[in-house]
Amino acid sequence: GESVGLHLPTLSVQEGDNSIINCAYSNSASDYFIWYKQESGKGPQFIIDIRSNMDKRQGQRVTVLLNKTVKHLSLQIAATQPGDSAVYFCAETPSSGNTGKLIFGQGTTLQVKP
Amino acid sequence: NAGVTQTPKFQVLKTGQSMTLQCAQDMNHEYMSWYRQDPGMGLRLIHYSVGAGITDQGEVPNGYNVSRSTTEDFPLRLLSAAPSQTSVYFCASSRTGGPYKQYFGPGTRLTVT
Repeated sequence: GESVGLHLPTLSVQEGDNSIINCAYSNSASDYFIWYKQESGKGPQFIIDIRSNMDKRQGQRVTVLLNKTVKHLSLQIAATQPGDSAVYFCAETPSSGNTGKLIFGQGTTLQVKP
Repeated sequence: NAGVTQTPKFQVLKTGQSMTLQCAQDMNHEYMSWYRQDPGMGLRLIHYSVGAGITDQGEVPNGYNVSRSTTEDFPLRLLSAAPSQTSVYFCASSRTGGPYKQYFGPGTRLTVT
């Protein structure tokens, strides 16, 4: 079956350091991989996505890397700030068609120490 | 644009009661979905819809019904509430074509006693 998982439930970093959040996926046929950020008491918010034909995509202070050989996805946050403290979810599109359906991983909590 | 709106924000039900969680979006998105989020469980898909008149089951559909009579609205009905349905419920919408940028509502926190 399809599953998306994260390597660590909690990541603690110092303010100003770079953060790396990892995700493993199982479905080789997924077309898109997406990262979401969820702040306490709010709904998840889209951060960045990457299509399966790409290895790297950069946004503002964030970079997503996709390694299809080992089915691994990572989110790198540069110069981590207190406002980055949240739960981060990776998600993938299932292989069942172009519906918009996503499968979410469990989430990693990022804690930023001042 | 209001984006995705959900009502109510909080709800307490007694076991056996029924209720409807409301979800609306004003972005003309074809795809809408309902998730529940329990501690340590991530987001689990309950039901989804790829357009008006079309719905399908997700990962955890039992105990829930949905309908999609318009593009804008996608209500979730709890038929007979159980304590196991205590959770935070999120509605989301997106276009059906990629990229699959889903917009989430603020959530409804439901407690069943």
